[in-house]
Amino acid sequence: DTGVSQDPRHKITKRGQNVTFRCDPISEHNRLYWYRQTLGQGPEFLTYFQNEAQLEKSRLLSDRFSAERPKGSFSTLEIQRTEQGDSAMYLCASSLEIARAGANVLTFGAGSRLTVL
Amino acid sequence: GQNIDQPTEMTATEGAIVQINCTYQTSGFNGLFWYQQHAGEAPTFLSYNVLDGLEEKGRFSSFLSRSKGYSYLLLKELQMKDSASYLCAPGRGNKLTFGTGTQLKVEL
Repeated sequence: DTGVSQDPRHKITKRGQNVTFRCDPISEHNRLYWYRQTLGQGPEFLTYFQNEAQLEKSRLLSDRFSAERPKGSFSTLEIQRTEQGDSAMYLCASSLEIARAGANVLTFGAGSRLTVL
Repeated sequence: GQNIDQPTEMTATEGAIVQINCTYQTSGFNGLFWYQQHAGEAPTFLSYNVLDGLEEKGRFSSFLSRSKGYSYLLLKELQMKDSASYLCAPGRGNKLTFGTGTQLKVEL
């Protein structure tokens, strides 16, 4: 198992363009998360999936952001009409649901760094 | 908000012991996680506590007091490679909420 993979690692785009990031989780993990991190801050929750179902979205996530996990495996995060404030590291994480509360250990990918000019 | 409070920065000497504190709101809480993040890299899992008390894992230990909304991460025998950001993350429901992290600098 190669861990959580994210692509692309870096993306530079002009304001107003659309971008899409892909995440391939650890194969046996049924939960997948997207976080955003800016310099000097901790990761900020965006959304998560259990299998193919999107179960929670942050209220901070504008309608320009959409995430999918069509077959319960890989996921994509699309940002439409990018703005300079979208510049950040977009982190994907996956985990295996465990019945015991509090044992939801997230494994993160290396992230996709977005720069909006 | 989640009101997760950690010191912004700490400096310690190689070989020493350092304690990084974290306080958080206790509502809906179901576990407290610590992650390490080196600059430009992904966060990596260090430890978690569900019950009160101390969890030891090699050079790293984590303590939790649920009633006080307080945790700390203890790093022993510090090495230069321990210079990183340490993120406190209370678990609520099925997600983790991260603090801003404590930037630890280990000096000779």
